[in-house]
Amino acid sequence: QVQLQESGPGLVKPSETLSLTCGVSGYSISSGYYWGWVRQPPGKGLEWIGSIYQSGITYYNASLKSRLTISVDTFKNQFSLKLSSVTAADTAVYYCARHRGGSYYDHFDYWGQGALVTVSS
Amino acid sequence: DIVMTQSPDSLAVFLGERATINCKSSQSVLYSSNNKNYLAWYQQKPGQPPKPLIYWASTRESGVPDRFSGSGSGTDFTLTISSLQAEDVAVYYCQQYYSTPLTFGGGTKVEIK
Repeated sequence: QVQLQESGPGLVKPSETLSLTCGVSGYSISSGYYWGWVRQPPGKGLEWIGSIYQSGITYYNASLKSRLTISVDTFKNQFSLKLSSVTAADTAVYYCARHRGGSYYDHFDYWGQGALVTVSS
Repeated sequence: DIVMTQSPDSLAVFLGERATINCKSSQSVLYSSNNKNYLAWYQQKPGQPPKPLIYWASTRESGVPDRFSGSGSGTDFTLTISSLQAEDVAVYYCQQYYSTPLTFGGGTKVEIK
């Protein structure tokens, strides 16, 4: 059974960098699949942030691209998100998830439980 | 960007009755080369991540009860819960994965009347 778990600071100051890691168990990232990040501001809907392949190929939401870095560490079987210059608008629950097929043009079939990140001084 | 519009925003249905949720995309999500609609449905309960229900517009995920069904093609899609159960109270989202940015509908909250 594939399991994903987000980890990282729950509080980030404005203008600083938000960093989260998604640890994967039950499946080796190096075996394939695309892996992504989705966020959900409190009480609001879902927003795709970006996705990455085991080779390191990335696809970003253009609305966040200038501030965003997604990377993968196949040895640690995890992938990470860095979002710079954060503001209160970046406060959200951040989910990591796996794309079902061998493409990022597929839905998410496994999700982490989510990590609430609050941007506040 | 493909905009996904769900309706209604919320609905209340009697236990055992049918619930119907609509999702409209601003452009077609039907890929002509494989005749597949790049559309998924998720269920989200409070404090939980989204749970995938339906993909390719009408294929149920493994383990999803058959009272959940998806239909539609091109730009208009429907999620139907044929006989609402208490455990189906949740927010439901559609998502297109036809093009980036991948986008979600605004959600439909389903409650018991």
